Amino acid sequence: SQQGEEDPQALSIQEGENATMNCSYKTSINNLQWYRQNSGRGLVHLILIRSNEREKHSGRLRVTLDTSKKSSSLLITASRAADTASYFCATAYTGGFKTIFGAGTRLFVKA
Amino acid sequence: DVKVTQSSRYLVKRTGEKVFLECVQDMDHENMFWYRQDPGLGLRLIYFSYDVKMKEKGDIPEGYSVSREKKERFSLILESASTNQTSMYLCASSSQFIARTGGHQPQHFGDGTRLSIL
Repeated sequence: SQQGEEDPQALSIQEGENATMNCSYKTSINNLQWYRQNSGRGLVHLILIRSNEREKHSGRLRVTLDTSKKSSSLLITASRAADTASYFCATAYTGGFKTIFGAGTRLFVKA
Repeated sequence: DVKVTQSSRYLVKRTGEKVFLECVQDMDHENMFWYRQDPGLGLRLIYFSYDVKMKEKGDIPEGYSVSREKKERFSLILESASTNQTSMYLCASSSQFIARTGGHQPQHFGDGTRLSIL
């Protein structure tokens, strides 16, 4: 399977703490994207990092990419209860048309 | 803001029925996608389309077909619904592949249709 894999599958933290989610993938990529999904809703794009970038920030989000290890991490700083959602990494492989989504990390932030 | 609208949030159909799921996007995107989402399996691509009247099979096309007669509309058809097609169906759209910005563009999703086949 070319699917990216998120780790952990589920994460429970207190409000104010940082949350870190990891994604591993298998072959060369054009870019890697992170999405968020609230319960019962569609996915919302959060951030895209290209294969020649190592780190990217957007508000409280920080994404890193290590192409030598074929892995990425998403850090949410100072988490809030409203960050409770599932988070997915999606990889766009070179030479392919599809974007492949992982199974997601379920984040629960306790108020 | 891009809006992707799926015709129904919840749908209940019977085994053997022909089921139509409709999706409309308002941003003139070239690419449109249909996924199904099942617990523990993530999103699996059923079909995608990169232009009007063009379609490509995804990872799990069996039992499904699609139609794209107009750029803004992408329909998913369950030819003869079966219970194993009970799932959440998500439609998405994206602008065209752009090599200079790293290729695949972010996808914009609808809110999904939760389909139950009885």
